[in-house]
Amino acid sequence: TQLLEQSPQFLSIQEGENLTVYCNSSSVFSSLQWYRQEPGEGPVLLVTVVTGGEVKKLKRLTFQFGDARKDSSLHITAAQPGDTGLYLCAGADYGNNRLAFGKGNQVVVIP
Amino acid sequence: NAGVTQTPKFQVLKTGQSMTLQCAQDMNHEYMSWYRQDPGMGLRLIHYSVGAGITDQGEVPNGYNVSRSTTEDFPLRLLSAAPSQTSVYFCASSLTGTSSYEQYFGPGTRLTVT
Repeated sequence: TQLLEQSPQFLSIQEGENLTVYCNSSSVFSSLQWYRQEPGEGPVLLVTVVTGGEVKKLKRLTFQFGDARKDSSLHITAAQPGDTGLYLCAGADYGNNRLAFGKGNQVVVIP
Repeated sequence: NAGVTQTPKFQVLKTGQSMTLQCAQDMNHEYMSWYRQDPGMGLRLIHYSVGAGITDQGEVPNGYNVSRSTTEDFPLRLLSAAPSQTSVYFCASSLTGTSSYEQYFGPGTRLTVT
């Protein structure tokens, strides 16, 4: 089983602040995805990163895939209350029809 | 498109009872999967299917059965419910043949076993 470690588990910040959360593994992935989950709902895909070193931006969210394809980070600029949620990273293995999920980063943005 | 639908939304079972969690998708996705989500444990894969008639076990398959008779439907059966199966269950689907396996999740079924 491939393990994805997400840190920090819980993060509470004030509106307008910046934050970064991390997803790390000892395994190499063919791609890595980030999902956001709100209470009572299923996860929703935010982004997929495929190439080592790749950086993708989604409005105020910046996603980076590590050069070695083992880790990723999510940076939120000027966080807003609507960014509150559980952020999950998931790694896809070469030739394996499975996604391995981390336990998530719970982010709370206080107005 | 309705996407991925799950029924029921909530369910309470007594220990030893059996039931089926329903999952359907209308996106013509070949790949479907079931996860359970528990506090502090993240999402864990129970079973998955790469197409009609083909299923395989995930990380935590014990106590659950699946079948895939059509592309659209992927029901999850609890054979004899146990309190350890109290969890939130998510069904997901995605296109097969893509390297990224991006998944579309249903809204979940919250199951309590007493």
